[in-house]
Amino acid sequence: SQQGEEDPQALSIQEGENATMNCSYKTSINNLQWYRQNSGRGLVHLILIRSNEREKHSGRLRVTLDTSKKSSSLLITASRAADTASYFCAYENAGNMLTFGGGTRLMVKP
Amino acid sequence: SQTIHQWPATLVQPVGSPLSLECTVEGTSNPNLYWYRQAAGRGLQLLFYSVGIGQISSEVPQNLSASRPQDRQFILSSKKLLLSDSGFYLCAWSFLGRPPGGYTFGSGTRLTVV
Repeated sequence: SQQGEEDPQALSIQEGENATMNCSYKTSINNLQWYRQNSGRGLVHLILIRSNEREKHSGRLRVTLDTSKKSSSLLITASRAADTASYFCAYENAGNMLTFGGGTRLMVKP
Repeated sequence: SQTIHQWPATLVQPVGSPLSLECTVEGTSNPNLYWYRQAAGRGLQLLFYSVGIGQISSEVPQNLSASRPQDRQFILSSKKLLLSDSGFYLCAWSFLGRPPGGYTFGSGTRLTVV
């Protein structure tokens, strides 16, 4: 069963706005990862943040990790219609297994 | 470069029929391999994972089984499908090493059991 929770479940914004998605987990982790899934397709790895890191950037993506609160957030700046997809967080535990959250469905309106 | 192939893309099978989904990886050796299932609008549920040939670990008791006959081949099977087996099945691989990397997913198989 899923042990990661994502919030919100769905998000609708206008092109150019920022999108923020949150993820919470319950165990100790090695790292936390974010994935993107276009409708009916496989998942694509976006970014990984290690447990000893607090913030990471990749292009228009910014990920933060707060291990004391067991939470992470993904910020997509200056969103585009092409960013429309589902976004999943996934955390890797000490056993090197990846557990996925339920995902956030992002719609960016042109 | 590493690639992962998964087929078929879609499959409609009657209840009680057998199932065989295949996944192959190219460009790497001794990968960790995974089968996930995704219900509509939901997250991913880990079904099976394998760290080597013939080594299969099951995460969820179910009507499915997995096998790894070759290093880069992972097969998901069922002898008799149930309606509840419908879903989107995803194969993935990872390489346990440093620095840590994400999983690479196949394009998925949408299975509809009728």
